[in-house]
Amino acid sequence: NAGVTQTPKFRILKIGQSMTLQCAQDMNHNYMYWYRQDPGMGLKLIYYSVGAGITDKGEVPNGYNVSRSTTEDFPLRLELAAPSQTSVYFCASSYSISAPLGNEQFFGPGTRLTVL
Amino acid sequence: AQKVTQAQTEISVVEKEDVTLDCVYETRDTTYYLFWYKQPPSGELVFLIRRNSFDEQNEISGRYSWNFQKSTSSFNFTITASQVVDSAVYFCALSEAGGTSYGKLTFGQGTILTVHP
Repeated sequence: NAGVTQTPKFRILKIGQSMTLQCAQDMNHNYMYWYRQDPGMGLKLIYYSVGAGITDKGEVPNGYNVSRSTTEDFPLRLELAAPSQTSVYFCASSYSISAPLGNEQFFGPGTRLTVL
Repeated sequence: AQKVTQAQTEISVVEKEDVTLDCVYETRDTTYYLFWYKQPPSGELVFLIRRNSFDEQNEISGRYSWNFQKSTSSFNFTITASQVVDSAVYFCALSEAGGTSYGKLTFGQGTILTVHP
């Protein structure tokens, strides 16, 4: 199992450019998430998905879009990149929650994005 | 709204010292889950432990131990006899268990631990 994979590892964008961060998991997880980690800060949730075709906003969704056409893939789209989007982006996945146990999230290696 | 606070921004110790990382959380849910993740210099996030709110037993795993106290809303992490390889950023996180939580994690801001030889 590759777990959660993310591409690219690094990217530099110019202001106003667009790009898609790719995320895939091969664990047949229902739930997938996108977080961003700003320097010296914890991770903040951008978007999440509970299954193919179902997505919802997290804490910091502005400037991003997502889609989930398959169980495996959960791409994050940046439209009109801004310097404030310079961050490290982590994708994660987990099984569906079944009470009373919470499942750990498995994280990808991250994508380091710089917007100049 | 839920919140996780890690008051210690940075901790520096010498190898073999014991070190405790503090985590205080806020949530309205009676059922929730607490996590610790390690982020070494390479940048990936490594899961360390999950604890549900009904289980207040402390846990020990090798040199690592966790102290969960609902009365003070704390979930502290102790490393005994620290080693240089323990140098990393450590995150405490909370997930509520309500029907629409979907496992979403709220992270603390992290504690940078540096262990000197």
